[in-house]
Amino acid sequence: GIQVEQSPPDLILQEGANSTLRCNFSDSVNNLQWFHQNPWGQLINLFYIPSGTKQNGRLSATTVATERYSLLYISSSQTTDSGVYFCAVSNQAGTALIFGKGTTLSVSS
Amino acid sequence: GAVVSQHPSWVICKSGTSVKIECRSLDFQATTMFWYRQFPKQSLMLMATSNEGSKATYEQGVEKDKFLINHASLTLSTLTVTSAHPEDSSFYICSALAVGFSTGELFFGEGSRLTVL
Repeated sequence: GIQVEQSPPDLILQEGANSTLRCNFSDSVNNLQWFHQNPWGQLINLFYIPSGTKQNGRLSATTVATERYSLLYISSSQTTDSGVYFCAVSNQAGTALIFGKGTTLSVSS
Repeated sequence: GAVVSQHPSWVICKSGTSVKIECRSLDFQATTMFWYRQFPKQSLMLMATSNEGSKATYEQGVEKDKFLINHASLTLSTLTVTSAHPEDSSFYICSALAVGFSTGELFFGEGSRLTVL
């Protein structure tokens, strides 16, 4: 099956810093989503981005499908950005997402 | 739109009892729902795919007789953990795929935390 690798596994930032999280995948995809898992476990949808670039406030994401990677950018990080960020992909329409192991982000004030 | 709700959010039960978790799509119909399990500090692992009106498809290593899945309507799927044991303690999360989806985007419930004593 398709493999998903996220890097770095852990990231520690000072408030206000910028960061880039990376997601590599082993096959072509028809779905790629980025999530933020909050301390209560809830998955917050950040982006649905199988290709192209999207922006939402301080967050943006880019997927280069031909090169099999996606990047999540967080600018001017805040303590509330702390948590685990997951990249998840599927390579067939209507099938389940396969999750990477996540990047744990800690933002301190 | 695209809200998926799970109930209960958390449950504590005694070893040997059965626990049912519900997953509902509140504002759309879902032909397919997926059940995931997440152990502490780990990623989400797919357990099974649930299709409305048919038997669920389980991932390798997931016991179908232990984790009973029913998808009786286009808005409800249930996961029953039968004869639960402490090793079944985990965070269970469902997701749903909308009928007639224009994209493959999946929407996730809030999760249900199970603790088996």
